[in-house]
Amino acid sequence: DIQLTQSPSSLSASVGDRVTITCRASQSIATFLNWYQHKPGKAPKLLIYAASSLQSGVPSRFSGSGSGTDFTLTISSLQPEDFASYYCQQSHTIQWTFGQGTKVEIK
Amino acid sequence: VQLVESGGGLVQPGGSLRLSCAASGFTFSGYDMNWVRQAPGKGLEYVSAISSDGVTTFYANSVKGRFTVSRDMSGNTLYLQMGSLRPDDMAVYYCARAINWSLDYWGQGTLVTVSS
Repeated sequence: DIQLTQSPSSLSASVGDRVTITCRASQSIATFLNWYQHKPGKAPKLLIYAASSLQSGVPSRFSGSGSGTDFTLTISSLQPEDFASYYCQQSHTIQWTFGQGTKVEIK
Repeated sequence: VQLVESGGGLVQPGGSLRLSCAASGFTFSGYDMNWVRQAPGKGLEYVSAISSDGVTTFYANSVKGRFTVSRDMSGNTLYLQMGSLRPDDMAVYYCARAINWSLDYWGQGTLVTVSS
């Protein structure tokens, strides 16, 4: 199985901050990497697909980059509604896997 | 697009449960469908998938041989038959639609509790 390692596991940030979350794959996955936002009690939400494509309806402050084994999710200016957990997910192999998640908390 | 899971509840270890996911607002037969779970305090775990035509299925190693995914095209419903349930199967189970090798719509989830 391809392992995805996210860092950091959690972070504290203020509204307006620029936030960067990284995801490293245990082997090359080209750009088969997606990012999701998940709030407690809610359905997870697709933010970025194919490493850098913004899902329809998602604010442009979210962006993704990377290829191969190293990927980044950036929130350019953190908003109150962005406090949540974020997960990367690979679909390069039939055994899709998720990273362990990054919890973004209010400083 | 709407996905609504049901069928969760309390079950004893070794027991069985069938989850359902009612789909609406899109052409159900045109999409691969998936199950993903989240155990208490843990992250997301990919569980199972079924192709749009229902012919091809996939299971995570952790559930292989115990869970069966199926779909009813006429009823626009996805199912997950779970057997030989263990305490570590306890989780919120989500159904999700697949497109472009990603999961673009998810349900709100249904809680499965495995306890004696």
